Amino acid sequence: KAGVTQTPRYLIKTRGQQVTLSCSPISGHRSVSWYQQTPGQGLQFLFEYFSETQRNKGNFPGRFSGRQFSNSRSEMNVSTLELGDSALYLCASSLGGRSYNEQFFGPGTRLTVL
Amino acid sequence: GEDVEQSLFLSVREGDSSVINCTYTDSSSTYLYWYKQEPGAGLQLLTYIFSNMDMKQDQRLTVLLNKKDKHLSLRIADTQTGDSAIYFCAESPLAGGSYIPTFGRGTSLIVHP
Repeated sequence: KAGVTQTPRYLIKTRGQQVTLSCSPISGHRSVSWYQQTPGQGLQFLFEYFSETQRNKGNFPGRFSGRQFSNSRSEMNVSTLELGDSALYLCASSLGGRSYNEQFFGPGTRLTVL
Repeated sequence: GEDVEQSLFLSVREGDSSVINCTYTDSSSTYLYWYKQEPGAGLQLLTYIFSNMDMKQDQRLTVLLNKKDKHLSLRIADTQTGDSAIYFCAESPLAGGSYIPTFGRGTSLIVHP
C-alpha cells in the first residue's frame, strides 16, 4: 500500500505570492490533517478535513486555507506569503472514524519564502 | 490550555538505555503518543498509550505514564545509532470527532558509537 505523498517536496516563493500544496492520503483514508513545522514554533496543527468537510481547525490566520476532494486528496493554500511562513508543511492521513485511528505522515513540503 | 514540554537534547552511548521525558497539561487527553522524525522525513508513530494505562511495552520500547503528575516517558533499550532522530511526545483529547495531537518541541537523541 502506498504511503502518504506530498507534492511538491520543495518550493521557493517570494513574499506576497500564494502557494498551493497537495497531499494524497493512503488509499481508503478519509481524514487528512495539515501541520506546520518550524524551529521556533515546533509542530502546529493547521486543519483537518474529513469527507470533504473541515472538521477541526487550528489557530492560523485566514491566509491559510484548505480543501478536500471526493477522492480524499487534499490541498492547502497560503495566500500573501510572509517570511514567517517558511516551514515544513506536513500532511497526515487516517481512516478518520470516531474511534482512535493512527495518523500516517507524509514526508512534507519544504516551503521557503524569500 | 494545552502544552507539551520535553527536553531538547539527549546524548547516549550505543548499547545504553535512553529515557526521554515529557510533561503535558491537558488532563482530558485520551491518548498520548511518541513519534520519531528522521532527517528529511515526516513523523512516524512509534507507540501510543491510552490514558487508563500505566505502562506499555513494545520490543525495545517502554512507555510509562504517570497520569497524576501528567508525565510520560519513553525508554529505548539497547540504543543503536539508527535510533538517532528527533522524538516527539504528543497528547490528544477527543475534539470534533477526531483525535488531533498536540506536539512537544521534540527531543534530539544523539547516539554515540
